[in-house]
Amino acid sequence: EAQVTQNPRYLITVTGKKLTVTCSQNMNHEYMSWYRQDPGLGLRQIYYSMNVEVTDKGDVPEGYKVSRKEKRNFPLILESPSPNQTSLYFCASSSTLAIYEQYFGPGTRLTVT
Amino acid sequence: RKEVEQDPGPFNVPEGATVAFNCTYSNSASQSFFWYRQDCRKEPKLLMSVYSSGNEDGRFTAQLNRASQYISLLIRDSKLSDSATYLCVVIPFSGGYNKLIFGAGTRLAVHP
Repeated sequence: EAQVTQNPRYLITVTGKKLTVTCSQNMNHEYMSWYRQDPGLGLRQIYYSMNVEVTDKGDVPEGYKVSRKEKRNFPLILESPSPNQTSLYFCASSSTLAIYEQYFGPGTRLTVT
Repeated sequence: RKEVEQDPGPFNVPEGATVAFNCTYSNSASQSFFWYRQDCRKEPKLLMSVYSSGNEDGRFTAQLNRASQYISLLIRDSKLSDSATYLCVVIPFSGGYNKLIFGAGTRLAVHP
């Protein structure tokens, strides 16, 4: 089954404790992206990657890191989480020929206390 | 001003009603437009593309008005299963078509 998986789905952590949210896709997509979704603000792009070893900042990259060492994986790293990073996070992937058709993972609900 | 703006709703309509949402965008150089659907607590999914000539898919019709910089989504004969949040998406041309700008969404609640 074609899918994007994220782990963990739910995470409660404390300020400053480094965490990683994993994202994996099995569709051989070149393009991968991370978004955060907050009430009233919609989905905002954090980082995206056009292919392996190619990453670029989205609209809200501060406080986040990513890496793209393999085509299928695109982990999101929060080196020192803060309460304002409490949000719903989505990973997505697509072909670079059709980035309008993003396939989203199920989401990770992160709470930072 | 936000790049993409939507009325958050909720739009509460009875089954069988026709309902329309608008979405405005600020960047006149925006090239491509789409509607996504997001069910409660679920991930967004592509609903349909929006073309200048209009696009119809069953009960759903999407239209683009470049002069006024807005896109619309019309749903005819609403079903209970249409209850969801509808996200307007714009792909601007800024050195390449490599990012999507999402609106905050319009919530639709269809009741019996």
